[in-house]
Amino acid sequence: NAGVMQNPRHLVRRRGQEARLRCSPMKGHSHVYWYRQLPEEGLKFMVYLQKENIIDESGMPKERFSAEFPKEGPSILRIQQVVRGDSAAYFCASSPGLDATGELFFGEGSRLTVL
Amino acid sequence: GESVGLHLPTLSVQEGDNSIINCAYSNSASDYFIWYKQESGKGPQFIIDIRSNMDKRQGQRVTVLLNKTVKHLSLQIAATQPGDSAVYFCAGPNAGGTSYGKLTFGQGTILTVHP
Repeated sequence: NAGVMQNPRHLVRRRGQEARLRCSPMKGHSHVYWYRQLPEEGLKFMVYLQKENIIDESGMPKERFSAEFPKEGPSILRIQQVVRGDSAAYFCASSPGLDATGELFFGEGSRLTVL
Repeated sequence: GESVGLHLPTLSVQEGDNSIINCAYSNSASDYFIWYKQESGKGPQFIIDIRSNMDKRQGQRVTVLLNKTVKHLSLQIAATQPGDSAVYFCAGPNAGGTSYGKLTFGQGTILTVHP
């Protein structure tokens, strides 16, 4: 049973380019969460999605960032016109339901470097 | 407390010793806490959780203690092994969050185990 799959694991972009990060949740999981981790800090919640719905995007920057979880395919976190401050590790987590106590599984992360 | 610097707390122990990692929280309404282990270059891995109606919970070689009076929890690792070397985070659901998957992470503690 594959875990949460994220790709790419490493991504390098120049300022102004777009970054697309993909996340396939664990089999049977319909809830996806995206977190961002800056160096030497804890993870910060960004967005919570279910299939075709954004449930909570209170942690998303107001501009340049968007997320989706289509009916088919992986969840995508999209960062437009990247800046150096976007350099971070982006983690996706999935859970089978709303009450995710102890059942939140994280992927290995996508590490974005903006030159 | 908040992370205002670039240096995480560190704990160095000898193999075989017991380790105690501490975490303070501010929201007295918090009712659920989780400890995660994050190895270098990997995503957070669930270790153990505890609900606020408990003050102690034990797992395999790990024990979490919760003191609601002083809003403090700790993770105790018995007979620490080199494989336990990682960053350890406490986390809990956001106050008023939409689900238990929307977590607030603590600053993290770097545990280094010397053979």
